[in-house]
Amino acid sequence: AQSVTQLDSHVSVSEGTPVLLRCNYSSSYSPSLFWYVQHPNKGLQLLLKYTSAATLVKGINGFEAEFKKSETSFHLTKPSAHMSDAAEYFCVVPGYSTLTFGKGTMLLVSP
Amino acid sequence: ETGVTQSPTHLIKTRGQQVTLRCSSQSGHNTVSWYQQALGQGPQFIFQYYREEENGRGNFPPRFSGLQFPNYSSELNVNALELDDSALYLCASSTGTSYYNEQFFGPGTRLTVL
Repeated sequence: AQSVTQLDSHVSVSEGTPVLLRCNYSSSYSPSLFWYVQHPNKGLQLLLKYTSAATLVKGINGFEAEFKKSETSFHLTKPSAHMSDAAEYFCVVPGYSTLTFGKGTMLLVSP
Repeated sequence: ETGVTQSPTHLIKTRGQQVTLRCSSQSGHNTVSWYQQALGQGPQFIFQYYREEENGRGNFPPRFSGLQFPNYSSELNVNALELDDSALYLCASSTGTSYYNEQFFGPGTRLTVL
């Protein structure tokens, strides 16, 4: 079975500083992996996805993630946080007809 | 283009009652998936419907059931409500069942069971 573990339940950054949200995966083969973002009272939105092509994946709003097989990681990064990035972020492993979500990391951005 | 919509926004029920939640797919989408998101948790897959047939089911009891209509809208029905059913219920639509087909999520229905 495939699963993901998000290592931090909350991450706090100041506006303009880098963002790092950590995700490790468990799989018997090289999986596909996604990151989703959930803003309050809004639907989940796909940020980016890795599907065994380039290991460095660029997404929307300046986010990117790097698939590292040796570390079984797929961490999400952004060089400079913006107030509008405050939201909950989910690392996701897709399967047949389903998405398996991590428990989420709440990103807090202070002025 | 209209996105995925869900109704109602909020709902309060008592234990033992039955509830129906509704979802309208994004235009052109033939696949609908339902998820349950408990407070402080990630969404959990309930089931998926493709062209009016169930196409996969997560670890939920039979009292969770669904329907998909010819216009690809969908309902989630929950019988004999329990306190632990209190959660945000999310609907997502896509153009197919493969994970290559991006799932677009609605804003959810918040169900409270007292």
